[in-house]
Amino acid sequence: GQQVMQIPQYQHVQEGEDFTTYCNSSTTLSNIQWYKQRPGGHPVFLIQLVKSGEVKKQKRLTFQFGEAKKNSSLHITATQTTDVGTYFCAGTNTGNQFYFGTGTSLTVIP
Amino acid sequence: DVKVTQSSRYLVKRTGEKVFLECVQDMDHENMFWYRQDPGLGLRLIYFSYDVKMKEKGDIPEGYSVSREKKERFSLILESASTNQTSMYLCASSIGQGGFSNYGYTFGSGTRLTVV
Repeated sequence: GQQVMQIPQYQHVQEGEDFTTYCNSSTTLSNIQWYKQRPGGHPVFLIQLVKSGEVKKQKRLTFQFGEAKKNSSLHITATQTTDVGTYFCAGTNTGNQFYFGTGTSLTVIP
Repeated sequence: DVKVTQSSRYLVKRTGEKVFLECVQDMDHENMFWYRQDPGLGLRLIYFSYDVKMKEKGDIPEGYSVSREKKERFSLILESASTNQTSMYLCASSIGQGGFSNYGYTFGSGTRLTVV
C-alpha cells in the first residue's frame, strides 16, 4: 500500500517551546488529514488540507501542505501541557482510503 | 455528536478462539473501517466497507474477516485468534459515497484485545 512516513517518532519539549512533526508520502496525495490522540484515548480529527501549498491555522497549531502535495507539517507554537499526545497524519490519493503515518508522540515537560 | 461505539474496551481471549469485535455508529455514515494500532507501527487498516454487504481488504486482512449486514454496524471477526493479534483495535466511520470522503474519520474508543 501507499507509504506515509512521519518524523520524529518521539519529541520531548519544555513547556513554551515550539514543536513540529513532518509527514512525507512516496506518492502525490489528493488530501491529507491530521489527528490527535491523547494518552489512553482515540484519534480525533483536527483538520484536512486539499490544496497545494495550503496553510491552515487553529489557534497555536499551523498545518501546511507542500507544493508538490507529497509532504505536510504540523507546527505547534508555545506548547502547553494540554498538547501532550500522539499526532498522526493520514494521506490519500484516492479519497476513499487514508493511510496513516506512524505518529509523533509529544511529551511536554512543565 | 457522531458516536462510534465499540462493544468492549478490554477483551482477553484464548488462542484458537473465534472473536467478534462489534462497532456501531449512530450518524448514518456510509463508510466504516477497522484498524489495529501497535506501538511504532501507527494505525494499519484491516478492512473497510463503504456500503452494506460491501467489504474491501486493507493492508493487513490476513486472519480477519468482517461483516456489514446493517449500515450502522461493522463487525470484525478473528476466525482463530493468535497471540500476534494482541493489539488495540479501532473502529472508525466517515461520511461519503462510494468510500470517498472529504471529512475526517470518527473513531471509537477502541478495544484492547489480549490473546493468551
